[in-house]
Amino acid sequence: NAGVTQTPKFRILKIGQSMTLQCAQDMNHNYMYWYRQDPGMGLKLIYYSVGAGITDKGEVPNGYNVSRSTTEDFPLRLELAAPSQTSVYFCASSYSRTSVGETQYFGPGTRLLVL
Amino acid sequence: DAKTTQPTSMDCAEGRAANLPCNHSTISGNEYVYWYRQIHSQGPQYIIHGLKNNETNEMASLIITEDRKSSTLILPHATLRDTAVYYCIVRGSNQAGTALIFGKGTTLSVSS
Repeated sequence: NAGVTQTPKFRILKIGQSMTLQCAQDMNHNYMYWYRQDPGMGLKLIYYSVGAGITDKGEVPNGYNVSRSTTEDFPLRLELAAPSQTSVYFCASSYSRTSVGETQYFGPGTRLLVL
Repeated sequence: DAKTTQPTSMDCAEGRAANLPCNHSTISGNEYVYWYRQIHSQGPQYIIHGLKNNETNEMASLIITEDRKSSTLILPHATLRDTAVYYCIVRGSNQAGTALIFGKGTTLSVSS
């Protein structure tokens, strides 16, 4: 299993540009998440999905959009990039069972710089 | 999530066991204890988790006290690559779909 993969690894955007951060998992997990981590700070939840076709907002959704058309993929769309969106973005996936709990597995991250 | 308390930092010599403590005195009966780590500039990495019993996998061992109010993560033979911030998280299985809350964690420095 490749686990959770993210592309690109690094990207520089100009203010006002748009881009899509890709995330894929091959573990057949139903839950998927997008977090951002600013320098020296903790992770903040942007959006999450409980399965294909179902998404919901997290703590900091403004300026982002997501879709979940398949179990495997959960892309994050940035519209009209702003310097405040400079951050490291992590995608995660998990399964949840009452008997074993919920373990989130993270991707390697995408570093985004908006200038 | 129940609150956890961890030391800010710890040092360990390479090849020795690293024992990282965590207090979670308000843990509920259905909440698991999870350990993650984050190596600089990388994504958080799951290490191990448990409910009541001690657990062991290829990375580490987790010792949970009988009253479940504290636990210890053991890295049996620490290497330089184990230098990271280690997070103890308490979380119920009914919290799927919510953010994983990473506190300040313990910065483990392994030196040769």
